[in-house]
Amino acid sequence: QITLKESGPTLVKPTQTLTLTCTFSGFSLSTSGVGVGWIRQPPGKALEWLALIYWDDDKRYSPSLKSRLTITKDTSKNQVVLTMTNMDPVDTATYYCAHSKFSSSWSVDYWGQGTLVTVSS
Amino acid sequence: QSALTQPASVSGSPGQSITISCTGTSSDVGSYNLVSWYQQHPGKAPKLMVYEGSKRPSGVSNRFSGSKSGNTASLTISGLQAEDEAVYYCCSYAGSSTFWVFGGGTKLTVL
Repeated sequence: QITLKESGPTLVKPTQTLTLTCTFSGFSLSTSGVGVGWIRQPPGKALEWLALIYWDDDKRYSPSLKSRLTITKDTSKNQVVLTMTNMDPVDTATYYCAHSKFSSSWSVDYWGQGTLVTVSS
Repeated sequence: QSALTQPASVSGSPGQSITISCTGTSSDVGSYNLVSWYQQHPGKAPKLMVYEGSKRPSGVSNRFSGSKSGNTASLTISGLQAEDEAVYYCCSYAGSSTFWVFGGGTKLTVL
């Protein structure tokens, strides 16, 4: 059974750096054809894809946020970490961790419960 | 503004069929058969309903079907049920630079 869970601060100040951790179970990120990504959703708004890291450590970022994002993995801990610099109130959103695999054409077949991050002074 | 265009809302009565459209461009929907559809109930994480345009994950009802014509993908839900009431998002691969783009979401109301 695949599960993912996000953790991190619920409140950050403008200009600060956000660090979110996704801790997962039921699969290994060293298995070929597997990826873990991040997707966010501002309150009442649409989903926005942020980043994806593959089993081979290849990474992809949203072009509009690429300069602010870093995604890394710790295979031994079953964790993926997303950092986002220079946070702004418009970054207030629920941040989801997501499992993808090649056999599902990299669609998100498992989601974390999400964590709400509020950016405010 | 989302990269893919969906109607804000659709509605239907129980037992009826509805179709939700998702319009992109020749750079995303039109170029790749990699559209997925997600269902999201209030306060919950999205759920994958269709991937690769028309494939259903294990456990998803065959009342949900996907298709594509040109730059527009569609999700059809037949035999509407009350529990289908939710927001539906489409998502398309858009190339190695842009990667994934989402639609703005469509709220389905079961009357």
